[in-house]
Amino acid sequence: QKEVEQNSGPLSVPEGAIASLNCTYSDRGSQSFFWYRQYSGKSPELIMFIYSNGDKEDGRFTAQLNKASQYVSLLIRDSQPSDSATYLCAVSGGGSNYKLTFGKGTLLTVNP
Amino acid sequence: DTEVTQTPKHLVMGMTNKKSLKCEQHMGHRAMYWYKQKAKKPPELMFVYSYEKLSINESVPSRFSPECPNSSLLNLHLHALQPEDSALYLCASSQEDRLNSPLHFGNGTRLTVT
Repeated sequence: QKEVEQNSGPLSVPEGAIASLNCTYSDRGSQSFFWYRQYSGKSPELIMFIYSNGDKEDGRFTAQLNKASQYVSLLIRDSQPSDSATYLCAVSGGGSNYKLTFGKGTLLTVNP
Repeated sequence: DTEVTQTPKHLVMGMTNKKSLKCEQHMGHRAMYWYKQKAKKPPELMFVYSYEKLSINESVPSRFSPECPNSSLLNLHLHALQPEDSALYLCASSQEDRLNSPLHFGNGTRLTVT
């Protein structure tokens, strides 16, 4: 059974701070990693994806992947109240299985 | 604005009703998906269509019946649902049904079964 673990939170940070969201996964063969943001009552929105070890930056967002440690993280710099949402980590791959396995999500609250 | 369009946004139906959820994408994606999401839970995969053929059915009860009329359209036909089927139903698409093909979700249909 493939598992994706996230701290459910809530993670509370002040406006302007760096929010750090973490995710671990059980399937060592996983190859693709995604972060989705979901506002309450809305659908998930893709914000980052990463396939290779290291960092990938897009604006205020940085995804970090460490396959040896089976760990992927999302950093949000200069956090804004509008970043308050649930962040879902999703992992796919491992053999021929391309299905996404979602974590349960981390609720982030950015306080003004 | 999402490029995957779902209708209706909200649906209330009785347990004896028959209704359909519709999904449309114009991104040229060849894989389309139905997910179900309950409150405070992650999305759960229901069905995957790849090149208009059903490739994955996650042991979904037969009261849910998917249909893919063409590469841009995906329907979910509902019949004799139970109150526990009330949830947010999400359609998604991806360029291919491959490992590195991100999913793009529609806005969802909020379904209430009474």
